[in-house]
Amino acid sequence: NAGVMQNPRHLVRRRGQEARLRCSPMKGHSHVYWYRQLPEEGLKFMVYLQKENIIDESGMPKERFSAEFPKEGPSILRIQQVVRGDSAAYFCASSPLSSGSTDTQYFGPGTRLTVL
Amino acid sequence: QKEVEQNSGPLSVPEGAIASLNCTYSDRVSQSFFWYRQYSGKSPELIMSIYSNGDKEDGRFTAQLNKASQYVSLLIRDSQPSDSATYLCAVKGGGGSNYKLTFGKGTLLTVNP
Repeated sequence: NAGVMQNPRHLVRRRGQEARLRCSPMKGHSHVYWYRQLPEEGLKFMVYLQKENIIDESGMPKERFSAEFPKEGPSILRIQQVVRGDSAAYFCASSPLSSGSTDTQYFGPGTRLTVL
Repeated sequence: QKEVEQNSGPLSVPEGAIASLNCTYSDRVSQSFFWYRQYSGKSPELIMSIYSNGDKEDGRFTAQLNKASQYVSLLIRDSQPSDSATYLCAVKGGGGSNYKLTFGKGTLLTVNP
């Protein structure tokens, strides 16, 4: 049973370019979460999605960031016009159908974004 | 706003000793508590989850929860050098959000051979 998959694992962008981060949840999981880990900081919640729905995007910056989880294909976290402050590790997690408070989130390997 | 506090460390213990990691949280209605281990440059890996007051044991790991004191801890018995990592405390539930994990900044544990 494959775990959460993320690609690319490392991404280098110049300021002003776009970054697209992909996440495929574990088999049987329909809930996807994105977290960001800035250098020397803890993991911070960004957005929670189910298939074709954004449930909670309260942790995502209002500008330049967007996320989607289409009916077919992986979840995408998109960062437009990247700035150096966007350099971080972006982790995707997934959980099974029932998203209760006891539900466990399993993390992917992360995408490390470096903005030059 | 939920907060989760951990000592940043580093916590250094000799091989074979007991490592004790502590965490406090601010949201009294939090319901679920998790310990993740994160090796440098890697992703968080779930070690333990606990939902009820008391102790929960799994191999060399014991999680302890005290909701009245808003305190959760992780004990690692017979510590091994391979346990050297950052341990993240995470809290979920309550406040209308039963899916959002709130993490502490983590405690760096070093186990010396």
